[in-house]
Amino acid sequence: DAKTTQPNSMESNEEEPVHLPCNHSTISGTDYIHWYRQLPSQGPEYVIHGLTSNVNNRMASLAIAEDRKSSTLILHRATLRDAAVYYCILRESKSNYQLIWGAGTKLIIKP
Amino acid sequence: DTAVSQTPKYLVTQMGNDKSIKCEQNLGHDTMYWYKQDSKKFLKIMFSYNNKELIINETVPNRFSPKSPDKAHLNLHINSLELGDSAVYFCASSIGTHPSNEQFFGPGTRLTVL
Repeated sequence: DAKTTQPNSMESNEEEPVHLPCNHSTISGTDYIHWYRQLPSQGPEYVIHGLTSNVNNRMASLAIAEDRKSSTLILHRATLRDAAVYYCILRESKSNYQLIWGAGTKLIIKP
Repeated sequence: DTAVSQTPKYLVTQMGNDKSIKCEQNLGHDTMYWYKQDSKKFLKIMFSYNNKELIINETVPNRFSPKSPDKAHLNLHINSLELGDSAVYFCASSIGTHPSNEQFFGPGTRLTVL
C-alpha cells in the first residue's frame, strides 16, 4: 500500500505557481521522496526526488519539511501541458525501495 | 530517439490465448521493470530485473513470465489470458537499483482480453 497521502484533485490557473502537497508521516531516515507525473494516455514521467534538503530542477522544486513528514511539489508557472496526475511516492528501505503508487493528485489547469 | 519502447501498443485477444509484450531500452540501463495499471489507474510493480537477473517478483500469477535476453530487453509473456488481465502494461528502466535512480517509462501496451 502507498505510504503517502495526497489530495484527489487540485485546480490552478495557467501561468500561476502550483503547490502540490503530500504527507508521508511514516517516513524513516533512509527513505527517499519521489514525484512522478502521468499525462493522459502516456507513461509516467519522473519529476523530482529528494532525501532531506529542498531540491530544484528544470521541471519543478521540491520543498521537504524539516521533520520530513510532508513535502510540497512546486511548479513555478503552470502551463496547460502540466495537466496530469502527480504521484508522490515514498521509496522505503523496508520495501526494497520499490515505487509503490497511490492514487495521486489530478492537476487541472484552467486557461 | 525513443528511450524505452514497447510493442505492441495495443493488443486485443481472446481469453485463453498466450501473448507476449516486448520492451527495449536504449539508455544503457542495468535495471528494467514491468508495471500493471488497472482500470482504476493504480500502478503496481510486477517484476524487476537487474543485469538480467530477477530481483523483484511481486504476487503475480505464474501465468506471467518475464524474460530478459539481454540488459536492453525485458519481455513479458502471458499464458492462458483471463478477463482480469485487461490493463495497461508499462515497461520502465533505470540506471540501477539505488533509491535515488529515476525510472524511465515506456508508452504502455493496452491489453484487452475478450
